Amino acid sequence: EDQVTQSPEALRLQEGESSSLNCSYTVSGLRGLFWYRQDPGKGPEFLFTLYSAGEEKEKERLKATLTKKESFLHITAPKPEDSATYLCAVQTDTGANSKLTFGKGITLSVRP
Amino acid sequence: DTGVSQDPRHKITKRGQNVTFRCDPISEHNRLYWYRQTLGQGPEFLTYFQNEAQLEKSRLLSDRFSAERPKGSFSTLEIQRTEQGDSAMYLCASSRMAGYQETQYFGPGTRLLVL
Repeated sequence: EDQVTQSPEALRLQEGESSSLNCSYTVSGLRGLFWYRQDPGKGPEFLFTLYSAGEEKEKERLKATLTKKESFLHITAPKPEDSATYLCAVQTDTGANSKLTFGKGITLSVRP
Repeated sequence: DTGVSQDPRHKITKRGQNVTFRCDPISEHNRLYWYRQTLGQGPEFLTYFQNEAQLEKSRLLSDRFSAERPKGSFSTLEIQRTEQGDSAMYLCASSRMAGYQETQYFGPGTRLLVL
């Protein structure tokens, strides 16, 4: 069974204090690893997809990386508006169903 | 393109009542997914359509749940005889295959509270 574990569960940062969020996964065959951002009471907002180990993607203050066992979401010089829950999900290469299996998410709070 | 839309955004109902939610996917997206999210958890897969065909249902989807996607456009999710344990956020996502790659885009969700 596919498993996704995110750590830490919650992270509090001072504005400008860089850090990393971790997503470790166990799957039978990885098709893609996804990062989403979710604000309270809203649906997940797509950030990145990573397809192979060694791949990196960047968007503003966010950078996602992928290895064969885990992914990191690096946040550089965060701002209060980066406060949200960050969800990691895997899509496996089994059958036609491209369902996503999510971790529990990491709640990030950035203090001004 | 306005993205995935869901209606209603909030629903409060009494235990035992039936409820129906609607999802309008991004136009030209042929795949549509339903997920359920409870507090402090990530979304969990419920069911999936390719065009109008429902191709897979999770074991989480009891007999009280039914989903349809007539004509491969919008989709509805109905819960019959609601129970307090059905209280959750119901999320819809749509996607379109582009070669090997597929990205699911989520709607704002319908938050259900069963009293």
